[in-house]
Amino acid sequence: ETGVTQTPRHLVMGMTNKKSLKCEQHLGHNAMYWYKQSAKKPLELMFVYSLEERVENNSVPSRFSPECPNSSHLFLHLHTLQPEDSALYLCASSQARTGKQETQYFGPGTRLLVL
Amino acid sequence: SQQGEEDPQALSIQEGENATMNCSYKTSINNLQWYRQNSGRGLVHLILIRSNEREKHSGRLRVTLDTSKKSSSLLITASRAADTASYFCATDPIYGKLTFGQGTILTVHP
Repeated sequence: ETGVTQTPRHLVMGMTNKKSLKCEQHLGHNAMYWYKQSAKKPLELMFVYSLEERVENNSVPSRFSPECPNSSHLFLHLHTLQPEDSALYLCASSQARTGKQETQYFGPGTRLLVL
Repeated sequence: SQQGEEDPQALSIQEGENATMNCSYKTSINNLQWYRQNSGRGLVHLILIRSNEREKHSGRLRVTLDTSKKSSSLLITASRAADTASYFCATDPIYGKLTFGQGTILTVHP
């Protein structure tokens, strides 16, 4: 509905698994974001890509690895996660201009459970 | 610490009543945005108000911004059960990244 899709919608993984989350935007935007939303915590910005280059990495553990192969696609590769990584992972996109953050359009999220 | 903080944390009202949520922030901003999130889903943008604007309307939504007090309010008039959701303010500081508050959980009872 927002022009941003995420797959899978739900994911259960063990701590030794490797999985990837996928995000695709159909809005022609030039910036994409990964957020983590845990219960009773504010939305946490994880990564920002602008024009396919990573411009922000908010001290995210290396077990999360983003990839942005083009301006429409964004991946989050997961490896050796911990139970505390269980959360809703949200992707967003925007048409970012220098020095300004405009409206962000969010995907429906991937609900991740790490066992 | 958080740039945007919403108040109250939870609000419960009857259908037809108005709902008011407040957001306070700490640093100077370019704009302030309000988003809505239905349970366990993505956020949906509601309205953006720029730092040189004082009030903005969109349908049943009315947003005010007081930069001298570093605060904003979101008013939903004639609420409906379908307005039940979490509401977040997001501030775009002049130096920094878009930052979301913890949200207000609004419950509208039929």
